Amino acid sequence: DAKTTQPPSMDCAEGRAANLPCNHSTISGNEYVYWYRQIHSQGPQYIIHGLKNNETNEMASLIITEDRKSSTLILPHATLRDTAVYYCIVRPGGTSYGKLTFGQGTILTVHP
Amino acid sequence: SQTIHQWPATLVQPVGSPLSLECTVEGTSNPNLYWYRQAAGRGLQLLFYSVGIGQISSEVPQNLSASRPQDRQFILSSKKLLLSDSGFYLCAWSGSSPGELFFGEGSRLTVL
Repeated sequence: DAKTTQPPSMDCAEGRAANLPCNHSTISGNEYVYWYRQIHSQGPQYIIHGLKNNETNEMASLIITEDRKSSTLILPHATLRDTAVYYCIVRPGGTSYGKLTFGQGTILTVHP
Repeated sequence: SQTIHQWPATLVQPVGSPLSLECTVEGTSNPNLYWYRQAAGRGLQLLFYSVGIGQISSEVPQNLSASRPQDRQFILSSKKLLLSDSGFYLCAWSGSSPGELFFGEGSRLTVL
């Protein structure tokens, strides 16, 4: 599976957009980009995933560059409850089970 | 709607004692099931996954075992716990979209 690189920590003001970057320069054609987050002492929560098109759901937007070597997760209006560790994961499509390799992620702190 | 439960939530056990963590999923059939572990200050590590009753795959050699006696039940066990087994254990399931994992609340194990 392709390796991902994320900044260890980021800060964001409440109400502002949080833009979390992820580099995955070795991604291959059949690999998807997944984003999860983990609030302290809870299990991770699925946020969004994409292959090459930008994606949006009720939680966030995912912007994938045209060469697919990097992506950005956007939380449009961050709240204090969005403070969490955010994981960017690359996973091959076509497999019947969901093995996900979690790295260290980005600790996002949302300030009042 | 689908729900996942795991118990106990916290456990303190002496070295050499046995372990049994249980996980059940409701509201879906034939899910893929997973056990992850998160050691203090580290990322999540996939321990076991199962694509059906009695089908268990181990990702890393260790002091633990897993069983799936029923379609929606997944059990993590050990005959003799080691200090290094301490951690936060998470059960998860996935359905038709294998990269979308839904995690339980977690079980925090401390081995003394």
